[in-house]
Amino acid sequence: NAGVTQTPKFRILKIGQSMTLQCAQDMNHNYMYWYRQDPGMGLKLIYYSVGAGITDKGEVPNGYNVSRSTTEDFPLRLELAAPSQTSVYFCASSDRGATQYFGPGTRLTVL
Amino acid sequence: KNEVEQSPQNLTAQEGEFITINCSYSVGISALHWLQQHPGGGIVSLFMLSSGKKKHGRLIATINIQEKHSSLHITASHPRDSAVYICAAPEYTGFQKLVFGTGTRLLVSP
Repeated sequence: NAGVTQTPKFRILKIGQSMTLQCAQDMNHNYMYWYRQDPGMGLKLIYYSVGAGITDKGEVPNGYNVSRSTTEDFPLRLELAAPSQTSVYFCASSDRGATQYFGPGTRLTVL
Repeated sequence: KNEVEQSPQNLTAQEGEFITINCSYSVGISALHWLQQHPGGGIVSLFMLSSGKKKHGRLIATINIQEKHSSLHITASHPRDSAVYICAAPEYTGFQKLVFGTGTRLLVSP
């Protein structure tokens, strides 16, 4: 099993550009999550999903959108990138009430 | 909503020392998580526990539900244990969404 995969690993965006961070898992988990990690801060939940077609906002959803058309994939869309979105982004998945498995992360810089 | 606090923020140790990292939370929970973030950035789950104690190799996690407190211990620490250790608790009792502590940065010197 590949576990949770994320692409790209690194990306530099200019202010106002858009991009999609890809996340996929092959463990048939219903729950998937997007987090961002800023220096010196704990992981913050952006969006999560409890199954295909069902998504909900987390703590810091502004400036982001998600979709969940399949169990495996949970892409995160950044529209009109801003410097405040410079961060490391982690995708994770789990069964209900169980351990979360994390992807390797995407380091995003917005200049 | 749960609030999670860890201490200390930074910890340095000599190889072989016994390490303790503490985590406290404010809302009763079903399970508490300990995670490790490697210097390269990857995050792995170490433990999920709801009562008592769990052990994996040189790592031991304990939890006191009444006092809303958990500890992560590392016995016979080694430089490869150098990492950031993060605890996380459900946002509300029974909820799947986690609230994360800011982490404890551990550096073990030879």
